[in-house]
Amino acid sequence: SQQGEEDPQALSIQEGENATMNCSYKTSINNLQWYRQNSGRGLVHLILIRSNEREKHSGRLRVTLDTSKKSSSLLITASRAADTASYFCAYSGAGSYQLTFGKGTKLSVIP
Amino acid sequence: EAQVTQNPRYLITVTGKKLTVTCSQNMNHEYMSWYRQDPGLGLRQIYYSMNVEVTDKGDVPEGYKVSRKEKRNFPLILESPSPNQTSLYFCASRGTSRRETQYFGPGTRLLVL
Repeated sequence: SQQGEEDPQALSIQEGENATMNCSYKTSINNLQWYRQNSGRGLVHLILIRSNEREKHSGRLRVTLDTSKKSSSLLITASRAADTASYFCAYSGAGSYQLTFGKGTKLSVIP
Repeated sequence: EAQVTQNPRYLITVTGKKLTVTCSQNMNHEYMSWYRQDPGLGLRQIYYSMNVEVTDKGDVPEGYKVSRKEKRNFPLILESPSPNQTSLYFCASRGTSRRETQYFGPGTRLLVL
């Protein structure tokens, strides 16, 4: 399977702390995206980083990409209780339209 | 409002009874796909479609069928459901650029007894 892996599987932090989630993948990629899922609901797109980019910001989100290590990280700064959700990385391989998802990190932010 | 809709949202059925889960999008997207989500396994792609009358297998296509007769609709068909198809199903769509955001439906929770 070419499915990506997120690390950690679960993360529990206090409100106001930063949360870092990592994603590793196995193939050459065109881009990598991060999605958020509130319990049992549809996924919502957060941010996309292209294979030729190393870092990208969007509000309290910071994404990095290291193609040599085939890994990405998502940093959520100053977390809020409303950030409690599962976070998935997803990537499309070079030359492919398919989006492959990782298994997700479940984030709990304690008020 | 841009959206992907799925019906039904919840379904309980019995082994062998054919069912269809509908999916529709209003964004004129060419690319549509179906995923199933199971605990510990994340999202796995079942089938995808690049355009009308063009469909292809994803990672876990066994036991499923799809059709794409119209651009906006992409139904998922289970001809003879089995208990191992109990899962949470998501339909998704996006434009043809790989950089485009993928939009997800709200999910269909299926229980096969």
